[in-house]
Parts: sequence; C-alpha cells; structure tokens
Amino acid sequence: GAGVSQTPSNKVTEKGKYVELRCDPISGHTALYWYRQSLGQGPEFLIYFQGTGAADDSGLPNDRFFAVRPEGSVSTLKIQRTERGDSAVYLCASSFEDSDNEQFFGPGTRLTVL
Amino acid sequence: DAKTTQPTSMDCAEGRAANLPCNHSTISGNEYVYWYRQIHSQGPQYIIHGLKNNETNEMASLIITEDRKSSTLILPHATLRDTAVYYCIVRVAGYNNAGNMLTFGGGTRLMVKP
Repeated sequence: GAGVSQTPSNKVTEKGKYVELRCDPISGHTALYWYRQSLGQGPEFLIYFQGTGAADDSGLPNDRFFAVRPEGSVSTLKIQRTERGDSAVYLCASSFEDSDNEQFFGPGTRLTVL
Repeated sequence: DAKTTQPTSMDCAEGRAANLPCNHSTISGNEYVYWYRQIHSQGPQYIIHGLKNNETNEMASLIITEDRKSSTLILPHATLRDTAVYYCIVRVAGYNNAGNMLTFGGGTRLMVKP
C-alpha cells in the first residue's frame, strides 16, 4: 500500500513569508508526528497528534509554528514569518497507534528560506 | 528518554558483518532500545527494537547486554545498500504515553565499501 507522502518535496521561500507543508499518513494510522532535520543532524521532534488532537506540541520552537489535523488524517504544518534558521527538512511519520513500535516516515519536505 | 552514545562513523566491507555499538548507560527499566536507519535523502526507516532479550528479524540482529547499558546492531552480510546513518534510540513503549516521540541523536554513519 501507499506509504506516508509529503508535499511539496521542495519549497523555496523568502524570509518573512508564510508556508504550509502537507503530510498524508498511511490510511488508518491514528498517530502522526512531525520532525525537523537540520543538515548533518538527527531529526528533532516537533509535534505529535493522536487523532485530531495535538497530544504533545512541546517540540515546536516558537509560536510561528503551528500544525493541524482537522479530520484525523492529513496534517498541515504551518510556519509564519519564516526565518532563514527555519531552513531544514521537515519529516512526517505515522503509526497505527501511538504505542506502536514502528513509525513510518515520509520522504520529507526540504524547506529553504532565502 | 535516556541519552545514547554512538560512534560518529564506521566502515564495513561488503559481505562482512557490520556491528554498530550503542551506549545507553542511563536507560530505565521500562525503556526499549530501537534502531532506525536513514539512507541519503530518505526518511528514517525502522529496523528493530528490544527490551532485554536479543532480537532478530529479516534485516538485523540486536544484542543487548545483560545490564542493558549497551547494545549492538548487527547487519550479518552488509551490502552497498546498507550505507546509511544508523540511529540508536531509547524510548518507553506503551499506551497513552507522553513520550511517544523518537529522540534521535547524531547516529553512526555506516559506509559499506566494495
């Protein structure tokens, strides 16, 4: 079956602009995670959804970052007033239940803020 | 989650076993050891996990010391396609767990050479 998909695969924007990154999890997966990966580093947790609600948003760096999952499936990560330091690969993962052993990752969206 | 320590990089000859060590000296009794890998330009991929017994699947074997303070991931016959960054992660597994995210360190960059 289809894996986790993320769109766009690449996004180039200018400092100060607003961007939205989309994640389509595996069908039936109730848990969804967003991570951010800077060059040469491991992924860092941002936010985790169980169903429609954000169960843990402790990794969001500041209030410019926001994520939604209104119907418990597709999720959108929104970044306002982008800064050059936001440049990274944004990864989405899903799992069948939040306790499930395996998280399935998408290919990521590479965000470049000029 | 407990912090893990891994070598920054390792080389392995194609066809030989790759043994990737991980130290997790502060692991708690209810924390599992997980291994993920990330091939260049892809999202991380689950490999294996264990609590205290050695585990084996079609991808790899996981050897956990009796005191659980360290573990070794073994790829029995490494191929060029196994070249990737390998992450050792400790994580509590269970329902309604606030720590469901994965906490990645820097990982070990494994280079399989012909």
